[in-house]
Amino acid sequence: DAGVTQTPRHEVAEKGQTIILKCEPVSGHNDLFWYRQTKIQGLELLSYFRSKSLMEDGGAFKDRFKAEMLNSSFSTLKIQPTEPKDSAVYLCASSIGLGANTGQLYFGEGSKLTVL
Amino acid sequence: AQSVTQPDARVTVSEGASLQLRCKYSYSATPYLFWYVQYPRQGLQLLLKYYSGDPVVQGVNSFEAEFSKSNSSFHLQKASVHWSDSAVYFCALSMPTSSGQKLVFGQGTILKVYL
Repeated sequence: DAGVTQTPRHEVAEKGQTIILKCEPVSGHNDLFWYRQTKIQGLELLSYFRSKSLMEDGGAFKDRFKAEMLNSSFSTLKIQPTEPKDSAVYLCASSIGLGANTGQLYFGEGSKLTVL
Repeated sequence: AQSVTQPDARVTVSEGASLQLRCKYSYSATPYLFWYVQYPRQGLQLLLKYYSGDPVVQGVNSFEAEFSKSNSSFHLQKASVHWSDSAVYFCALSMPTSSGQKLVFGQGTILKVYL
């Protein structure tokens, strides 16, 4: 089975630009998560989808961050407009999310964003 | 509120030594607990998980963890570390909710194994 695929692996943007990060979850998984990872803040939840429905939208990230799940096999995270403080690794993860698989997440390798 | 605390930001050990990475949690019910590992330039990977039953759980690469309800802890251990174990280790707690599942991650512990 293919794991979680994230593209691009690296992105460099100018302040004020719009960037879109992409994620393909593991086939058959019901849940999809977007996290931001920085050394200072650690892992921060940006968005959580269950069966393509948005279940949780990280409060602090609502104004410039928008995650969408267009179908069960593809999700995007748009940051508009970007700011230097958005420089981080963005991780996508998916999960079956039911029963004994609750909490067991499969992570992509991440998209490293640098905003100049 | 639910929380996970990893009190050691960084741990350094020599190859072949034993290892314990600490994790404390705060949750009113019996939690689902996890340890994830992150190697450089990669995403997180599951090491082991605890749902119920035997408090000592075995994971990949000879890691194990012990759940203690009385101490609210879930410490990760390994009898003999290898240089390739150098990575960042995250403890996490999962809770079912009415809208799905919620995970809380600790801040992570950076493990450096020197030869």
